Amino acid sequence: ETGVTQTPRHLVMGMTNKKSLKCEQHLGHNAMYWYKQSAKKPLELMFVYSLEERVENNSVPSRFSPECPNSSHLFLHLHTLQPEDSALYLCASSQDYTGELFFGEGSRLTVL
Amino acid sequence: GENVEQHPSTLSVQEGDSAVIKCTYSDSASNYFPWYKQELGKRPQLIIDIRSNVGEKKDQRIAVTLNKTAKHFSLHITETQPEDSAVYFCAASGTNAGKSTFGDGTTLTVKP
Repeated sequence: ETGVTQTPRHLVMGMTNKKSLKCEQHLGHNAMYWYKQSAKKPLELMFVYSLEERVENNSVPSRFSPECPNSSHLFLHLHTLQPEDSALYLCASSQDYTGELFFGEGSRLTVL
Repeated sequence: GENVEQHPSTLSVQEGDSAVIKCTYSDSASNYFPWYKQELGKRPQLIIDIRSNVGEKKDQRIAVTLNKTAKHFSLHITETQPEDSAVYFCAASGTNAGKSTFGDGTTLTVKP
């Protein structure tokens, strides 16, 4: 595998479910990101991790919980979501904050 | 934080014509300005970027200009082709991870 891979690609969950999105980067980058993409806000930054430490939480509700166990993996844990959380969740990585972002294919989330 | 405004939101041109997309930013500390292209159903990918120590950069049919004084930068596509049809995002970022901000995107349609 090369680049940034995300699983699952599609996820349907009820409002009481708990699920997780996974992201893995094979580029040796030192920063990883979660973005939310929806019709309302095309590319909205959620979280930034640098060397496994969260450096930015862009006022995201606590029902979204990120985890970065090492510099190659990033998770987004989801619980008690709302229908308005339905969106495409994109993971990205970069070398430093002012470098090219490499995006994964995204996880399409539908909350019923 | 950083605020990036992008115009127009939609742009339709005839094949062979030029297309220009403009962005303004608010934070004078931003020093990296990338442009991403997102084709339907695919991930955003970098097409060109510019740093604050450069006023213009060109790559074949694509060019970007930066005016630091006015805090705006533009994407220029010449001799447009149908495969240029996509959503284009501008972004501005600096050494602070939280300042990586995207514009709302421009949907470019190139009519054959």
